[in-house]
Amino acid sequence: GAGVSQSPSNKVTEKGKDVELRCDPISGHTALYWYRQRLGQGLEFLIYFQGNSAPDKSGLPSDRFSAERTGESVSTLTIQRTQQEDSAVYLCASSYTGVGTEAFFGQGTRLTVV
Amino acid sequence: AQSVAQPEDQVNVAEGNPLTVKCTYSVSGNPYLFWYVQYPNRGLQFLLKYITGDNLVKGSYGFEAEFNKSQTSFHLKKPSALVSDSALYFCAVRSPGGSGTYKYIFGTGTRLKVLA
Repeated sequence: GAGVSQSPSNKVTEKGKDVELRCDPISGHTALYWYRQRLGQGLEFLIYFQGNSAPDKSGLPSDRFSAERTGESVSTLTIQRTQQEDSAVYLCASSYTGVGTEAFFGQGTRLTVV
Repeated sequence: AQSVAQPEDQVNVAEGNPLTVKCTYSVSGNPYLFWYVQYPNRGLQFLLKYITGDNLVKGSYGFEAEFNKSQTSFHLKKPSALVSDSALYFCAVRSPGGSGTYKYIFGTGTRLKVLA
């Protein structure tokens, strides 16, 4: 597609439920990133996929968070047993491999845990 | 550790005046620096980047940024601010992670308010 696509755009879930967020990167982009942005805050790195390399999971806040990516295509971020502090906008981005390349962001998924 | 700092939470400027949004960085090797803008309820949009070469980088919407190695800064500038420039601005540095992979590390953001 023309840009990074994320779905759903909004998700309201009950505390304790699992949620799955989807990111469809720009075709040809080998790198994919997930960030979390709490209301009025900056971007918190979660996880980074680069081609067939092992993902950089150093930003995942707890073992309730996991992410997968199949090849160089769609990625899903799963949050198990959601808590109210998980409420945030989850942003996905993708880029080419080169270190000087810029990332392109999706519109985000706004997650509200009630 | 690699990091980027945006010392101002908010910058107010009158329309037509020049604007500067500050960013300083800390990296162990060559810096790869980026500016992004976020409009309300939108994702981040790329504005410009510094990789190498000319210290003055020009980007989208009339913005430019000056790389200063001695001061480890990469301030965003625009000669004449518009009300429509009001948004949240993020500085980022690309940093090596595990296995030689590179993640973007973002500053905390600066809210720019241009007053009519």
